[in-house]
Amino acid sequence: QKEVEQNSGPLSVPEGAIASLNCTYSDRGSQSFFWYRQYSGKSPELIMFIYSNGDKEDGRFTAQLNKASQYVSLLIRDSQPSDSATYLCAVTGSARQLTFGSGTQLTVLP
Amino acid sequence: EAQVTQNPRYLITVTGKKLTVTCSQNMNHEYMSWYRQDPGLGLRQIYYSMNVEVTDKGDVPEGYKVSRKEKRNFPLILESPSPNQTSLYFCASSLRIGIGTEAFFGQGTRLTVV
Repeated sequence: QKEVEQNSGPLSVPEGAIASLNCTYSDRGSQSFFWYRQYSGKSPELIMFIYSNGDKEDGRFTAQLNKASQYVSLLIRDSQPSDSATYLCAVTGSARQLTFGSGTQLTVLP
Repeated sequence: EAQVTQNPRYLITVTGKKLTVTCSQNMNHEYMSWYRQDPGLGLRQIYYSMNVEVTDKGDVPEGYKVSRKEKRNFPLILESPSPNQTSLYFCASSLRIGIGTEAFFGQGTRLTVV
């Protein structure tokens, strides 16, 4: 079982729709949860982090964390073509390593 | 400008020829790490370092070495590269590992071993 799992996609949504990206993790001692965006051939860049149960909103992005279910998600409202990228979920586990999922490829169709 | 700098950006080498990929950060970060990225496998951690002279293996350390003699530098060494080490490599640094601490990434090094 992978430590951090994401649906690889590809996920396609029309422009203006809500894109929902999901991630599960296996280490119950995990403390911090991150969402990175990576454009093709580029470095990952941080979108949001969350460490408490519940929702955290930043502009069009909302991260949701449920530690009991070991589940973290990212919602992108009013999706734009410029949001088309691979989204990486990352988790800081109890071993103090930052572990990434394999990423979900998102395409926003104009 | 705060940044993580990797060199070279692109490298083609032959099997068995030792190489070093350099990584330097100017943010006084304690934590540095190396990842490789392969299609469908995401970012996999090779080695990480909590501070100077403290390094530890990640998930895929075989065939790699690192050192952390100075806080700002964290070179990745391939003593005898093989074709299965062809990959996209990223160096990253964080102030520390902890709650909400962001990792900053270098530009990446695309390595091809023939």
